[in-house]
Amino acid sequence: DIQMTQSPSTLSASVGDRVTITCRASQSISSWLAWYQQKPGEVPKLLIYEASSLESGVPSRFSGSGSVTEFTLTISSLQPDDFATYYCLQYYSYWTFGQGTKVEI
Amino acid sequence: QLHLVESGGGVVQPGRSLRLSCAASGFTFSSSAIHWVRQAPGKGLEWVAIISYDGSDEFYADSVKGRFTISRDNYKNTLYLQMNSLRAEDTAVYYCAKGRGGRSLIDYWGHGTRVTVSS
Repeated sequence: DIQMTQSPSTLSASVGDRVTITCRASQSISSWLAWYQQKPGEVPKLLIYEASSLESGVPSRFSGSGSVTEFTLTISSLQPDDFATYYCLQYYSYWTFGQGTKVEI
Repeated sequence: QLHLVESGGGVVQPGRSLRLSCAASGFTFSSSAIHWVRQAPGKGLEWVAIISYDGSDEFYADSVKGRFTISRDNYKNTLYLQMNSLRAEDTAVYYCAKGRGGRSLIDYWGHGTRVTVSS
């Protein structure tokens, strides 16, 4: 089974900050990685797929990069609406989520 | 507009069974693989199961294999999850989620139904 390790688990930031979240796969997943945002009491929302493709309607301040085993989600300028928990998902072999990164003020 | 509406959750004793349903609309249900994903209280997301567009293939997480069965009725645009031999650790919000593309990327989620396993 493929394990996904996200870091950090919690991230404290301010509005306007550049934020980076990392996800590491236990084996190669090519570019089959997605990122989701989940706000309290809400369902997850797809942000990025295939490591770097922006889902329709998602603000361009979100970007993804990486391949093989190392992946990054970057928020270029953190907005008040971005305080949430972010999850990565590998969909190369079955489906495995990272444990989540909470972005807090 | 795409909709996935789960139902069937509730409180159930350990060892008992429960059947969840997910009613789909707004897209071609019979062309899409569909997942179940769960989230325990205060915890992260855990993939549970997937069924292919035509019901011919099913895959399960090790944590539920042999106890849970995913199925679908493409005439009723409805997905099911039969959960047997429930354990306390199955307590979670269960989401159905639509798959997209050849690798069934999870691209849209229902709002979930809560399952509590407790004596």
